[in-house]
Amino acid sequence: QVQLQESGPGLVKPSETLSLTCTVSGGSINNFYWIWVRQPAGKSLEWIGRIYSTGSTNYNPSLKSRVTMSVDTSKNQFSLKLSSVTAADAAVYYCARFNHDSSGYYGFDYWGQGTLVTVAS
Amino acid sequence: DIQMTQSPSSLSASVGDRVTITCQASPGINKYLNWYQQKPGKAPKLLIYDVSNLQTGVPSRFSGSGFGTDFTLTISSLQPEDIATYYCQQYDNLPYTFGQGTKLQI
Repeated sequence: QVQLQESGPGLVKPSETLSLTCTVSGGSINNFYWIWVRQPAGKSLEWIGRIYSTGSTNYNPSLKSRVTMSVDTSKNQFSLKLSSVTAADAAVYYCARFNHDSSGYYGFDYWGQGTLVTVAS
Repeated sequence: DIQMTQSPSSLSASVGDRVTITCQASPGINKYLNWYQQKPGKAPKLLIYDVSNLQTGVPSRFSGSGFGTDFTLTISSLQPEDIATYYCQQYDNLPYTFGQGTKLQI
């Protein structure tokens, strides 16, 4: 059973960089896309970006200038950095796996439990 | 970005009811449409992928249909454990986008 676990500071100061790591257990990080999604309190889900196990990335244009994703296959981990945070970046941040089968990619099938990030001085 | 619009935003139903949630994509997205269920304080759960394929372990009372711009999630007989917020999501084009959610209440 694949499990994902987010980790990182729950409190980030305005203008600083949010850093989160997602650790994958019960399966390999290789040959999958891994994604980050966030959800402000009481609001819908926002896709932040994706990273392939080789390190190839795609980011949401709305955040592209501030987002960096990386992967460490030796640790079965991938990470998110979001710079210059403001109150608008406060949310629950989720990591998830974008699964695929013989027909192609199809859905975010395994998710972390989510981690709440507050932006405050 | 592809805009995903769900209706209704909230819905009150009774146990045993047939419940339908719609999702409209603009522009159209072919078959690349998923549905997720999210219970309070929990991560979303993949219910249906590629419009109508049930994820492993999801009860058969859930079904999906549609193509192009108009999609539907149906619960054939509502159960108490189905109380949640439901989101549609497209992955036809980057950035992937979600609907605003439909909160289902009893």
